[in-house]
Amino acid sequence: AQSVTQPDIHITVSEGASLELRCNYSYGATPYLFWYVQSPGQGLQLLLKYFSGDTLVQGIKGFEAEFKRSQSSFNLRKPSVHWSDAAEYFCAVGALPTGNQFYFGTGTSLTVIP
Amino acid sequence: DVKVTQSSRYLVKRTGEKVFLECVQDMDHENMFWYRQDPGLGLRLIYFSYDVKMKEKGDIPEGYSVSREKKERFSLILESASTNQTSMYLCASSRVSGLPGNQPQHFGDGTRLSIL
Repeated sequence: AQSVTQPDIHITVSEGASLELRCNYSYGATPYLFWYVQSPGQGLQLLLKYFSGDTLVQGIKGFEAEFKRSQSSFNLRKPSVHWSDAAEYFCAVGALPTGNQFYFGTGTSLTVIP
Repeated sequence: DVKVTQSSRYLVKRTGEKVFLECVQDMDHENMFWYRQDPGLGLRLIYFSYDVKMKEKGDIPEGYSVSREKKERFSLILESASTNQTSMYLCASSRVSGLPGNQPQHFGDGTRLSIL
């Protein structure tokens, strides 16, 4: 069965520091991968997506993610974190055999300290 | 930009009431989804719909039903609300491109529902 694991429930970084949020997936074929961000009290906003091609994808707000098939990972990175990046981050995989269903990770909460 | 609008940001209801959560999208998307979000559990799919009058059960459909009479509107119904249905409910939509699973979902701002 398809699944998405975000091993870090909560991460704290200092403003200006680099960030990496981990995501591992379990899926038989080439997955369609997404990262979303959720600010407090808001819905989810799409940061970036990977369908095929270049394994390093660029997203909005200065984020990027790298697809590594050998590690079944799709980690999200940002070189310099801003206080406004504090939010919940969700990794998701879109599964072909079940149609348009997405599988979401349980999320990583990011705290940014000044 | 895609706009997904949920009718209420906050809602308080009583146990046993029939509760309606409404969602409208303005981009003519074929697919619509209802999730609930609980701390530590992430997003769990309740129901989704591929087209008008079509619906499919997600992972946790018990205690819920849905209605899609028009393409732009997808309603979630709690037939007899219970306290364990207190949660954040998120609606999403996506378009079909011929390859299922590869179109991003666009989310509303959520409805925080409390059942007393």
